[in-house]
Amino acid sequence: DIQMTQSPPSLSASVGDRVTITCRASQTISRYLNWYQQTPGKAPKLLIYTASSLQNGVPSRFSGSGSGTDFTLTISSLQPEDFATYYCQQSYSTPQTFGQGTKLEIK
Amino acid sequence: EVQLVQSGAEVKKPGESLRISCKGSGYSFTNYWISWVRQMPGKGLEWMGRIDPSDSYTNYSPSFQGHVTFSADKSIITAYLQWTSLKASDTAMYYCARRITGNKRDYFDYWGQGTLVTVSS
Repeated sequence: DIQMTQSPPSLSASVGDRVTITCRASQTISRYLNWYQQTPGKAPKLLIYTASSLQNGVPSRFSGSGSGTDFTLTISSLQPEDFATYYCQQSYSTPQTFGQGTKLEIK
Repeated sequence: EVQLVQSGAEVKKPGESLRISCKGSGYSFTNYWISWVRQMPGKGLEWMGRIDPSDSYTNYSPSFQGHVTFSADKSIITAYLQWTSLKASDTAMYYCARRITGNKRDYFDYWGQGTLVTVSS
């Protein structure tokens, strides 16, 4: 199985901050990397697919980059509704696997 | 509007059987695979596998193979996740999700609201 490692596991930040979450795959996954946001009690929501494509309706402050094994999710200016847990997911091979999550908290 | 609506929460005893459902609407149900994702209490997301509703072809994660069964009834645009003998460790939230694939893409664009399964004696 491909292991996905996110860092940091948790992050404290303030409204307006720029934050970056990283995701590393244990082997190359080309650009088959997706990012999801999950708020408590809710289903995950797709933010970014294929490493850098913004899902329809997702604010442009979210962006993704990377290829191969190293990927990043950047939020350019945090808004109150962005405090949530973020997961990366590789869809390069089965079983598809998720990172362990990064919990973004208000400082 | 695309929607995946899952069945309600369940409380079961170890050894009991269970089937939960995921009804798709607002799109052509047979054109998109449905994946199932587990989230144990306070934990992350785990891909269980997927089913093609057009022909019920399935892929299972090795971690779940043999313990769960996926099925689909395209006449009522519903996918199912089934257990024949539940364990306490099956206690979790289960999500269905619609898979987008092709053109070097593979991701989940719509998710059900989740079904909470609690297994306790």
